[in-house]
Amino acid sequence: EAQVTQNPRYLITVTGKKLTVTCSQNMNHEYMSWYRQDPGLGLRQIYYSMNVEVTDKGDVPEGYKVSRKEKRNFPLILESPSPNQTSLYFCASSFLGASFNEKLFFGSGTQLSVL
Amino acid sequence: KQEVTQIPAALSVPEGENLVLNCSFTDSAIYNLQWFRQDPGKGLTSLLLIQSSQREQTSGRLNASLDKSSGRSTLYIAASQPGDSATYLCAAISGTSYDKVIFGPGTSLSVIP
Repeated sequence: EAQVTQNPRYLITVTGKKLTVTCSQNMNHEYMSWYRQDPGLGLRQIYYSMNVEVTDKGDVPEGYKVSRKEKRNFPLILESPSPNQTSLYFCASSFLGASFNEKLFFGSGTQLSVL
Repeated sequence: KQEVTQIPAALSVPEGENLVLNCSFTDSAIYNLQWFRQDPGKGLTSLLLIQSSQREQTSGRLNASLDKSSGRSTLYIAASQPGDSATYLCAAISGTSYDKVIFGPGTSLSVIP
């Protein structure tokens, strides 16, 4: 089954403790991206990647890192999480990218709470 | 800077009604506009994608239109069903050198049996 898989589904951590949220897709997509969703602010793009070893900032990249060492995986790294990063996170992918008129496929989300 | 808004924020209708959801964007330089559905506790599902050169797209009971000049898109749902209850989001894909996706805040739809 074609899908975007995020792990973990729920995560509770403390301020400053490094964490990684994984994202994997099995559709051979070149484009992957991360979003956070907050009440009243909607979905905002954090980072995106057009291909292996190619990443770029979205609207809210501060406090986040990403890497794209292989096509199928695009982990989101919070090296020193803070409470304002408590949010619902989504990973998405498409074959070439949304600007190539392709639909985005989303994972089920990761609910992160930073205490 | 692109901004996307959606009206109404919430909508409750009886089953069987036809309804229209509205999406507005400030920068007409877009590659395309996409409509998504989000169910509670789940990710987003792509419904329709309208390319910047197109005026509308249809899928089953859904029809989406795009008017770039006025910065508007509408999602028309015919003969609504309780299973249509969800949050509907539109997203404008920026027509710049990079792949920027700007979402609207969404419209929460409840279809009452």
